[in-house]
Amino acid sequence: DVKVTQSSRYLVKRTGEKVFLECVQDMDHENMFWYRQDPGLGLRLIYFSYDVKMKEKGDIPEGYSVSREKKERFSLILESASTNQTSMYLCASKRDRPNYGYTFGSGTRLTVV
Amino acid sequence: AQKVTQAQTEISVVEKEDVTLDCVYETRDTTYYLFWYKQPPSGELVFLIRRNSFDEQNEISGRYSWNFQKSTSSFNFTITASQVVDSAVYFCALSEYFDYGGSQGNLIFGKGTKLSVKP
Repeated sequence: DVKVTQSSRYLVKRTGEKVFLECVQDMDHENMFWYRQDPGLGLRLIYFSYDVKMKEKGDIPEGYSVSREKKERFSLILESASTNQTSMYLCASKRDRPNYGYTFGSGTRLTVV
Repeated sequence: AQKVTQAQTEISVVEKEDVTLDCVYETRDTTYYLFWYKQPPSGELVFLIRRNSFDEQNEISGRYSWNFQKSTSSFNFTITASQVVDSAVYFCALSEYFDYGGSQGNLIFGKGTKLSVKP
């Protein structure tokens, strides 16, 4: 069964910590995405990558960075975690063509205290 | 610019009722894809359907049906005889049809509709 795997389901970190959220897909998809989801705000795109070592800012990149050194792995980095980054983080991947839409991971609920 | 509007933020029904989730989209493209995803309380978004703009035929899958109307730019989702397991957040999404890489082909999501089905 094809999968997008996020390394942690729940994570609690302290303010100021550097946080890594990992996402791995086994479908050889070219594109990978990081979203955050907050009540009432829907899904907001943080960053995406359409190729290895390529990254593009989404709608809310501030306070985040990403890394894609290998095709299957896309990491989201919070350089200095803050309480307003407490959220649900969702990773997704997509093939270029044909466009079958996204396959999502099960999400990481991050709490910054 | 592309946009997806799900005007219903939350809907609550009693089991066995029929319920329709609305989705209205905006795009200047003549060819595009539309999607529905379900997000149960566990958190993972699950793909339900993809429809291309060439095909306006309605689709039925068990208790689920989708009504695509290009004339009104709508792609509504109906659950017949709802069940408690249908309780979830449902997202409608839109993407370009021709994906030449980069951000083309990225999905534009609505804000979601939270459906609660009570026993």
